[in-house]
Amino acid sequence: QKEVEQNSGPLSVPEGAIASLNCTYSDRGSQSFFWYRQYSGKSPELIMSIYSNGDKEDGRFTAQLNKASQYVSLLIRDSQPSDSATYLCAARSGTYKYIFGTGTRLKVLA
Amino acid sequence: SAVISQKPSRDICQRGTSLTIQCQVDSQVTMMFWYRQQPGQSLTLIATANQGSEATYESGFVIDKFPISRPNLTFSTLTVSNMSPEDSSIYLCSVDALAGVYNEQFFGPGTRLTVL
Repeated sequence: QKEVEQNSGPLSVPEGAIASLNCTYSDRGSQSFFWYRQYSGKSPELIMSIYSNGDKEDGRFTAQLNKASQYVSLLIRDSQPSDSATYLCAARSGTYKYIFGTGTRLKVLA
Repeated sequence: SAVISQKPSRDICQRGTSLTIQCQVDSQVTMMFWYRQQPGQSLTLIATANQGSEATYESGFVIDKFPISRPNLTFSTLTVSNMSPEDSSIYLCSVDALAGVYNEQFFGPGTRLTVL
């Protein structure tokens, strides 16, 4: 069964620190990977996508992909209390098939 | 990307009744998805809906309970039939849409359903 695994957390970091969120995936055929942010009571919001090995930066966010290790991570620099949310990792596994992790809850402490 | 709207945003329904949730997207998309999410829980895929064909349901979900329509490339409905309190959840519509070079999945704002 194809899976995406994340630590459920909560991951607590102080304001201004770097938050590091990780996920692993089981399907080696997955080509696209995504990070969604979900605030309590809201729907998931796509914040980062990554398709090739290496790093992809967008503002305070950096996504990292290592296909050999089947590992995806999201770094949030200068974490703010407004970053407190659940972060979902997803892999696109075949046409129209998205596999979601269960999410990591991040708490940024002021 | 894609902008998705859902109606209603929330509803409180009586046991045994049915509710139809509408999902509208601002661009033509091939595939739409319906998810359910209990508070504090992860996403559970109910079905995928391709325009012009029957929806494909995930294990544990059946068409009689969750009939889906997909009449065109921008619209879909999910009906929750013969509701019970166990159907209380957030129902999310999402689409697979082209974002630059690749396709990505975007979510609507959700419908919060409470069944009494």
